[in-house]
Amino acid sequence: GAVVSQHPSWVICKSGTSVKIECRSLDFQATTMFWYRQFPKQSLMLMATSNEGSKATYEQGVEKDKFLINHASLTLSTLTVTSAHPEDSSFYICSASWVLGTQYFGPGTRLLVL
Amino acid sequence: AQKITQTQPGMFVQEKEAVTLDCTYDTSDPSYGLFWYKQPSSGEMIFLIYQGSYDQQNATEGRYSLNFQKARKSANLVISASQLGDSAMYFCAMRPGAGTALIFGKGTTLSVSS
Repeated sequence: GAVVSQHPSWVICKSGTSVKIECRSLDFQATTMFWYRQFPKQSLMLMATSNEGSKATYEQGVEKDKFLINHASLTLSTLTVTSAHPEDSSFYICSASWVLGTQYFGPGTRLLVL
Repeated sequence: AQKITQTQPGMFVQEKEAVTLDCTYDTSDPSYGLFWYKQPSSGEMIFLIYQGSYDQQNATEGRYSLNFQKARKSANLVISASQLGDSAMYFCAMRPGAGTALIFGKGTTLSVSS
C-alpha cells in the first residue's frame, strides 16, 4: 500500500512553545490530507481537512489559530500547534488520499506538553 | 446524521477461532465507503478492508472478510483463524462521500489468547 510518513514520532515540549508536525505522502500525490487527534483509548476525531494550495477546513470546535495547517505541496502537509498547553497532549495522526482513493495513515505523532 | 456505531468495547477470542466485530452505520448518501482499520499499541492505523456501497459482493482480504448487509446498514468484520498478533483495537469507519474525511466508530479492543 501507499506510504505516509510523519515526523517527529515523539515530541515533548514545554508549555507555551510551538510544535510543528510534518505529514508526507512518499509514493503518491495527495490531493487531500486529513489531520486527526486521538486521546488514549478513544477514537480518532477529525480536526481539519487540508487541500493542496488552499486553506484548511476546520471541524467545529477546533481553533484554527491554535492548530495551523499548511498544505504547500501534493506531498507535504504540516500541523503547527501554537503555544502548546498540557491539554494539547495527544496522539496526532494524519492521512492522505488522492481523489476517490483510500486514505492511508501516517504512523502518528505523540505530543506531550509539560 | 452520519454515524458509525461499534457496540462491543472489548472482545475475547482464542487462537485459531473466528471472531466477528460488529459495525453499523447511518448515512443518507447513496454512495459511501466502509473501512476497517487495525490499531496496535504502537498507534499506527493499518488498513484492513474496504467495501463500497455499490459493491455486490462482500469484500475479502486474506483472513479478513466484511459481512456487508446494506438493508440493515451493517458492515461486520470477520477474522478467521485468529492469531495472537491480531490483538489490537479495531475501528470501523465510513467515508460518506467522495474525497471526504472518515467517520470513525469508537473501536473494539480484540484480545486473542493462546
